[in-house]
Amino acid sequence: SAVISQKPSRDICQRGTSLTIQCQVDSQVTMMFWYRQQPGQSLTLIATANQGSEATYESGFVIDKFPISRPNLTFSTLTVSNMSPEDSSIYLCAFRGWNTEAFFGQGTRLTVV
Amino acid sequence: AQSVTQPDIHITVSEGASLELRCNYSYGATPYLFWYVQSPGQGLQLLLKYFSGDTLVQGIKGFEAEFKRSQSSFNLRKPSVHWSDAAEYFCAVGAIGGYSTLTFGKGTMLLVSP
Repeated sequence: SAVISQKPSRDICQRGTSLTIQCQVDSQVTMMFWYRQQPGQSLTLIATANQGSEATYESGFVIDKFPISRPNLTFSTLTVSNMSPEDSSIYLCAFRGWNTEAFFGQGTRLTVV
Repeated sequence: AQSVTQPDIHITVSEGASLELRCNYSYGATPYLFWYVQSPGQGLQLLLKYFSGDTLVQGIKGFEAEFKRSQSSFNLRKPSVHWSDAAEYFCAVGAIGGYSTLTFGKGTMLLVSP
């Protein structure tokens, strides 16, 4: 199965700053997904990222706050902008192959102080 | 709209005892169903999956799940729990075919007592 590497694994950031999370897949994938997992909660989909087009955001998430890049079929980034303590969460990237399960990165544990 | 319900937020099981985690789903077509496990500080690991065939599915780490269409359920079971099974378990549903995302339940935290 494909390997997906996510970094950083954790970070502590000052409010008002931005953090960019990177995900690298060892094979080409069509769609990548970004999730947020708030403390003690389930996974909430932030957006879906296709190569060569703008990401599609779920209700409650906007591009200005969570800009996403997808420059090629193996890589994507999520930026958490102008952070506040409410952004403290685990952020996960994932992809799903044709008719397979979803494969997840290891997650980025973000703490905003 | 699709949804997944895991009615138990926490479950405590004695080591060596059997385990059943409940999952009910709502989906407009034939679902593709999954169980994932998340250990503290880790990403999600797939335990098992089902979309057709034998309704009793075997997974890794001795887990199994049974699909019951009439009850819209996909419960996870293990005959004898080990302390290392303590983790959070997520049930998820998605479309068969395609690359679409999965919808996750809220998760069940499994605690294992000695």
